[in-house]
Amino acid sequence: QVQLQESGPGLVKPSQTLSLTCTVSGGSISSGGYYWSWIRQHPGKGLEWIGYIYYSGYTYYNPSLKSRVNVSVDTSKNQFSLQLSSVTAADTAVYFCARGVRANWFDPWGQGSLVTVSS
Amino acid sequence: EIVMTQSPATLSVSPGERATLSCRASQSVSSDVVWYQQKPGQAPRLLIYGPSTRATGIPARFSGSGSGTEFTLTISSLQSEDFAVYYCQQYNKWPRTFGQGTKVEIK
Repeated sequence: QVQLQESGPGLVKPSQTLSLTCTVSGGSISSGGYYWSWIRQHPGKGLEWIGYIYYSGYTYYNPSLKSRVNVSVDTSKNQFSLQLSSVTAADTAVYFCARGVRANWFDPWGQGSLVTVSS
Repeated sequence: EIVMTQSPATLSVSPGERATLSCRASQSVSSDVVWYQQKPGQAPRLLIYGPSTRATGIPARFSGSGSGTEFTLTISSLQSEDFAVYYCQQYNKWPRTFGQGTKVEIK
């Protein structure tokens, strides 16, 4: 079965760029019909969809974050990555990667990676 | 964007009792709603999509219903492992949006 695992720094300084990578195992990221997604959860709060990438490289982002987000894919490594620029304390959250089914819902999810923005 | 509002914020239920969770969309989303379960320190798990089809491995005590703007998740007889936070999500419009969650706690 497909499993996802986030990796990256847990602490980022304000104004810098947050970078996370999601490694997919048990299946190919190049499988059609799936949209590889990033979602975040602020401490004690709800969930916010950030964006997705298709294996071809096509991306779509949440308009609220679009100016600061870049999602890329490396099919040779079966990974996709998130970059969020100009971060502030408001970007402190648990970041999840997930497989988007027909770009509609998300299943499965990675375990999540807490990123704290602080100097 | 479509706002998903869940109620109540917290639901206190005894084991074996029925739990009914509500989710309201700020505009019609047809039947394009899913439900997730999240336990502390874990990722959300897909429960229901479409809005009444159970995901693989989800017990029959979980059921979903609704259309338009009103949706319901029902847990027919709560088991100890069901105490968690439940989120609804719409996939009718972009960006995909989630409710703020309903916490089901032991009464």
